[in-house]
Amino acid sequence: QKEVEQDPGPLSVPEGAIVSLNCTYSNSAFQYFMWYRQYSRKGPELLMYTYSSGNKEDGRFTAQVDKSSKYISLFIRDSQPSDSATYLCAMSDGTASKLTFGTGTRLQVTL
Amino acid sequence: DGGITQSPKYLFRKEGQNVTLSCEQNLNHDAMYWYRQDPGQGLRLIYYSQIVNDFQKGDIAEGYSVSREKKESFPLTVTSAQKNPTAFYLCASSREDRVLAKNIQYFGAGTRLSVL
Repeated sequence: QKEVEQDPGPLSVPEGAIVSLNCTYSNSAFQYFMWYRQYSRKGPELLMYTYSSGNKEDGRFTAQVDKSSKYISLFIRDSQPSDSATYLCAMSDGTASKLTFGTGTRLQVTL
Repeated sequence: DGGITQSPKYLFRKEGQNVTLSCEQNLNHDAMYWYRQDPGQGLRLIYYSQIVNDFQKGDIAEGYSVSREKKESFPLTVTSAQKNPTAFYLCASSREDRVLAKNIQYFGAGTRLSVL
């Protein structure tokens, strides 16, 4: 079993929809949680990061962490075609300079 | 502009050949990383370095080598011992001075390596 599980998709939604992307994890020591967006043939770019449990909002993006369920989510409101990309979750226990990544979910926002 | 520069963008390797991928950063970050990305497998850590002249193996270091002679540079050599080198290689860097900062990694645009 992988330490971080993420549905690979693809997930196809119409423009304007609310998108929910999720990851589950097994290591209870993880405290730092990140979401990266990766366009095709490009490097990942950091979207959101959170520490421990709770919500964090930035524009159309909301990151949610539920440590009791070992479950993190990224919500995208009013999705746009430019949001079409692969979304990677990443997490760390903070003790070493190492991140554990999910496999990524490919999102397609259609007109 | 501050950032991470990887070169070349595309690279082809012949059988038995060593090739070197370049990674340079001007973010003044102490830590640098190399990842390999394969379809359906996410990012896997090859090597990382937290300080000049020191580096550690990641999860899949076999067939790869690195050096860290300068803070700005962390080149990766894919040796002939790496039997399945075709992948997308990503370099990243992070600060080391604060716990939250050290967990936020910034990535370059990647190098796509193929075998001829």
